Amino acid sequence: DAGVTQSPTHLIKTRGQQVTLRCSPKSGHDTVSWYQQALGQGPQFIFQYYEEEERQRGNFPDRFSGHQFPNYSSELNVNALLLGDSALYLCASSPYRGQGPETQYFGPGTRLLVL
Amino acid sequence: GNSVTQMEGPVTLSEEAFLTINCTYTATGYPSLFWYVQYPGEGLQLLLKATKADDKGSNKGFEATYRKETTSFHLEKGSVQVSDSAVYFCALGTGGFKTIFGAGTRLFVKA
Repeated sequence: DAGVTQSPTHLIKTRGQQVTLRCSPKSGHDTVSWYQQALGQGPQFIFQYYEEEERQRGNFPDRFSGHQFPNYSSELNVNALLLGDSALYLCASSPYRGQGPETQYFGPGTRLLVL
Repeated sequence: GNSVTQMEGPVTLSEEAFLTINCTYTATGYPSLFWYVQYPGEGLQLLLKATKADDKGSNKGFEATYRKETTSFHLEKGSVQVSDSAVYFCALGTGGFKTIFGAGTRLFVKA
C-alpha cells in the first residue's frame, strides 16, 4: 500500500514564475491538506480539499491556489513566485468522515527553491 | 490567536539519557495536542496525541501529558537511543484538519 506521494521532489524556479506541485493521497483517503515548511520552522497550514472543494484555508495569499481531482489527488499552484516562497511543501491525506488531524499521513514533500 | 511554543534546539544527549522537550500552547476552546517526529529525509509522522485535559499520550517509550492548568504538553522519554535523533514538533488542532505546529526541536543522540 503506497503512502502519500508527491512530485517533483525538488524544483528550482525564478521570481515571478508559476509552479504546480502534485500529491497523491494514501489509498482510501479522500481529503488532502497542504502545508508550507520554511527552513528551520514548523509546517504552516495552507488549505484543505475535500470533494474537490477548498474546505479550510490558512493565512496565505490568493497566489496560492489548489485543486482536487475526482481520484482525490491534488495540486498546489503558486503564482508570481517570491523568494520567500522557498520552502518544503508538504501534502497530508486523511479520511474525512468527521475525524481530526491525528489521522493525517504526510508525504515526503517537495522542496521548492525560488531564485 | 492559537499558537505553539517549544524549546529551541538543538538538544544533544548521550544514549540512555532522559529527554524532555518543553511545549506550551495558546488556544481558545479545547484543542487536541500532538507530537510529530520528522526523521531525516522522511515526512512527518504522528508520534502521540492527547485530546483532553490530563490525558497522557504515549508511543515508542515517549510520553506527554495534556496539562490545561499550565497549558503545556511536554515530551519525555526515559532512555533515548541514537535512532531517536530527529526533529520533534509539538502541534495543536482546534477543529477540522487545520493543525498549528511549533517551530520544531532538533534532537541529536550520541552513542
